[in-house]
Amino acid sequence: LAKTTQPISMDSYEGQEVNITCSHNNIATNDYITWYQQFPSQGPRFIIQGYKTKVTNEVASLFIPADRKSSTLSLPRVSLSDTAVYYCLVGDRGSARQLTFGSGTQLTVLP
Amino acid sequence: DGGITQSPKYLFRKEGQNVTLSCEQNLNHDAMYWYRQDPGQGLRLIYYSQIVNDFQKGDIAEGYSVSREKKESFPLTVTSAQKNPTAFYLCASTPFWDQETQYFGPGTRLLVL
Repeated sequence: LAKTTQPISMDSYEGQEVNITCSHNNIATNDYITWYQQFPSQGPRFIIQGYKTKVTNEVASLFIPADRKSSTLSLPRVSLSDTAVYYCLVGDRGSARQLTFGSGTQLTVLP
Repeated sequence: DGGITQSPKYLFRKEGQNVTLSCEQNLNHDAMYWYRQDPGQGLRLIYYSQIVNDFQKGDIAEGYSVSREKKESFPLTVTSAQKNPTAFYLCASTPFWDQETQYFGPGTRLLVL
């Protein structure tokens, strides 16, 4: 299983762009990168998934360099409601495997 | 509305008692999962099931049991052998072909009296 490393916490101000980086040095060829958001006392919510280069949806962008050993979740113009824990997962989408969420990154958005 | 539900929202367990947490999904997903989350920690996998009548242990299966008699349902029993059961329990489901994209339920918080 690809081990992931994220910062424990980050602070930002409303309206700023936030970038959270995840390191996954031993990512395998078939592995995808998936990011989740979790609010207190709720289940994690899928944000975005990618394999290489850049993926964008209505809430975030995911940047993956050519070597795929890291990935960056970018949240444009954050608001107070983006305060949450963000998890990076790496794994083979179709395999019978165990997912390791890790401790995630606590993002706190300040007014 | 398609989704995944868990009940109850809060559950109290007495010493030596077994309790069962419910998880139901109507997403027609093949795979279902149970996670435990302790305060300030990430999620740890307890059990998962990719097909009816089959399930696999996760990282912390001791003191827990599951069944998968129907595709839609994956109940978790916290047995008396689990000495520190106080935690937030999350159920998730995925289609078989994309097990990275997990759909989570709202969770059950288990407290010991």
